[in-house]
Amino acid sequence: AQSVTQLGSHVSVSEGALVLLRCNYSSSVPPYLFWYVQYPNQGLQLLLKYTSAATLVKGINGFEAEFKKSETSFHLTKPSAHMSDAAEYFCAVTKGTNAGKSTFGDGTTLTVKP
Amino acid sequence: NAGVTQTPKFRVLKTGQSMTLLCAQDMNHEYMYWYRQDPGMGLRLIHYSVGEGTTAKGEVPDGYNVSRLKKQNFLLGLESAAPSQTSVYFCASSSPGQGPYEQYFGPGTRLTVT
Repeated sequence: AQSVTQLGSHVSVSEGALVLLRCNYSSSVPPYLFWYVQYPNQGLQLLLKYTSAATLVKGINGFEAEFKKSETSFHLTKPSAHMSDAAEYFCAVTKGTNAGKSTFGDGTTLTVKP
Repeated sequence: NAGVTQTPKFRVLKTGQSMTLLCAQDMNHEYMYWYRQDPGMGLRLIHYSVGEGTTAKGEVPDGYNVSRLKKQNFLLGLESAAPSQTSVYFCASSSPGQGPYEQYFGPGTRLTVT
């Protein structure tokens, strides 16, 4: 079985500050890992994905995430928050042999203060 | 490409009424999924399909049925709506040929059951 834990349902940062959203996973096999972003009243959009090619993954809008196998973590970071980053963020884990089914974390709402 | 589209965008039902949500994708994806999203609970998989004519149960299938008569369409049915089915419903698609199974989401359907 696979599972995802996102630490902190709400994170608030000031504009220009570092963004750190935490994600830990469990999986019986090497997983594929994703971060998605959801803006209000919209569907989820892919931010970035880990495919085992590189442990540091760069995504859209200046976000990146580092896969740490020893810590079973895939935390999302951005050096400098922008007001437009305010959204809900979901971490997800997928096993490639399971019809592509993903298990999603409960989500973290990011608030950016001016 | 329109990507993944969902109809309707909003719907209000009375308890006991039935309805069908339609999902369409124009990316020739083999896999399609239906999720429900409730506050603080992330996305939960209702049903999924790995190809035309095949469907399978996900995490929370009770009270829902699905059909995939054409590769591009995935229908979600509620035979007798209950207030507990008030939620936002998302359809997604993916392809094993476009590893590693990143999912493409529709804009969602907001359903209220009174």
